[in-house]
Amino acid sequence: EPEVTQTPSHQVTQMGQEVILHCVPISNHLYFYWYRQILGQKVEFLVSFYNNEISEKSEIFDDQFSVERPDGSNFTLKIRSTKLEDSAMYFCASSTLYRNEQFFGPGTRLTVL
Amino acid sequence: AQSVTQPDIHITVSEGASLELRCNYSYGATPYLFWYVQSPGQGLQLLLKYFSGDTLVQGIKGFEAEFKRSQSSFNLRKPSVHWSDAAEYFCAVGAGGGGADGLTFGKGTHLIIQP
Repeated sequence: EPEVTQTPSHQVTQMGQEVILHCVPISNHLYFYWYRQILGQKVEFLVSFYNNEISEKSEIFDDQFSVERPDGSNFTLKIRSTKLEDSAMYFCASSTLYRNEQFFGPGTRLTVL
Repeated sequence: AQSVTQPDIHITVSEGASLELRCNYSYGATPYLFWYVQSPGQGLQLLLKYFSGDTLVQGIKGFEAEFKRSQSSFNLRKPSVHWSDAAEYFCAVGAGGGGADGLTFGKGTHLIIQP
C-alpha cells in the first residue's frame, strides 16, 4: 500500500540554524500539507500546497517557514532560523483531488537546542 | 473558523468493554469529519471518515462513528476494545469544499486499556 515517507525521523539542531525536512507524498496525490505537533499538544495545520504554490497557510506559518516541491516526488519544509519553540513533531500529509482525505507520514521529530 | 472539541483528555476502559469517544465540532457548513489514531512515537492513521450520506460510518479495526448534525457531534465507538487499541485518538474536521484545506484537530483523547 502506498504511503507517505519522511526523512529524517529525528533532527537535532542548534537555535538559529536552518533545517529542511523532507517528505515524499503518495505518487498520484496532488495536495500536500505540513502539520506540527508540539509535545503533548494537538496537531496544528501549517500549510497546504497545490499546483506548485501555497494554497492555504495558518498564522503559525510565518516568514521563517517555506515549502518547496523541488522535483516530481519530494516536498520540503524549510525553517530558516530555528527557535526553541520550533521543537515539535512535523507531519507531512498528502491527498487526492477531492474530499480532503489526508494520508500522514510518520513524522520528523525536530529538537532545537 | 472551524473548531473541534474532544471533552475527554483521558479515558480508561477494561479490555473487552465497549468504548465511546466524544467529538463535537463547529463549522458553518457541512463538514468533512475524520478520526485518526496515533500510537506512541507513530504517525497518524486514519480510522474512518464522513463526507456525506449514511451518518453511521464504519472504519478499520472495528471502529464506527455516527455523525449527528443536530448535536454537531461525531462520536467514535467500538463494541469491544482490545489492549492494542491503547493510543491517542484525534477527531478532525475539514472544510466541506475539499481541496487543499487544512484539517483542524481536537486535542485528542488518550485511551488506556485495563486488563
